Amino acid sequence: QQQVKQSPQSLIVQKGGISIINCAYENTAFDYFPWYQQFPGKGPALLIAIRPDVSEKKEGRFTISFNKSAKQFSLHIMDSQPGDSATYFCAARATGNQFYFGTGTSLTVIP
Amino acid sequence: DTAVSQTPKYLVTQMGNDKSIKCEQNLGHDTMYWYKQDSKKFLKIMFSYNNKELIINETVPNRFSPKSPDKAHLNLHINSLELGDSAVYFCASSQDLNQPQHFGDGTRLSIL
Repeated sequence: QQQVKQSPQSLIVQKGGISIINCAYENTAFDYFPWYQQFPGKGPALLIAIRPDVSEKKEGRFTISFNKSAKQFSLHIMDSQPGDSATYFCAARATGNQFYFGTGTSLTVIP
Repeated sequence: DTAVSQTPKYLVTQMGNDKSIKCEQNLGHDTMYWYKQDSKKFLKIMFSYNNKELIINETVPNRFSPKSPDKAHLNLHINSLELGDSAVYFCASSQDLNQPQHFGDGTRLSIL
């Protein structure tokens, strides 16, 4: 059973555009939601994370929007650049328990 | 100054063989993990170790066995390799079970 559902599976965006990746969950015990970025041949790296007591968190061009009532959260990449081309994973965790990862989104930013 | 390092980076071997993948972290973290990433990039946790005690084992075949000689190392031993074991295996570490993980660069295992 997939604890965290992620969409789309792949995404192509023009340089300068906005990339949006969505995730949804059912387990209301989840209390920490990180996003990871993975480049080819590398391991996933923590990009940005949010806790359910805030609705939005912004770090540079990356923003997480969190909707607790809908049990959804999304990653927005503003002014997308070719260097942002990577696979992005959302994840969720309940305190004291393991992290569950989404299925990944392959982002391609076209120059 | 690599935080989480795993060796080898590539491993090509025959079906039925036994192999090991090594992992070391220099972050002083208390928890280490092994993940399997399949061809569709799906990440699945296999094991985690906290202070040398196994705390998660996600229905992984017993052909896979983690071994932690000390807090900084978590090696993965695989017996009787099967074709379906072909994947990229990632080691990771975190300060504790509640903190996000730092991943190594993976070991690509190919079974012939």
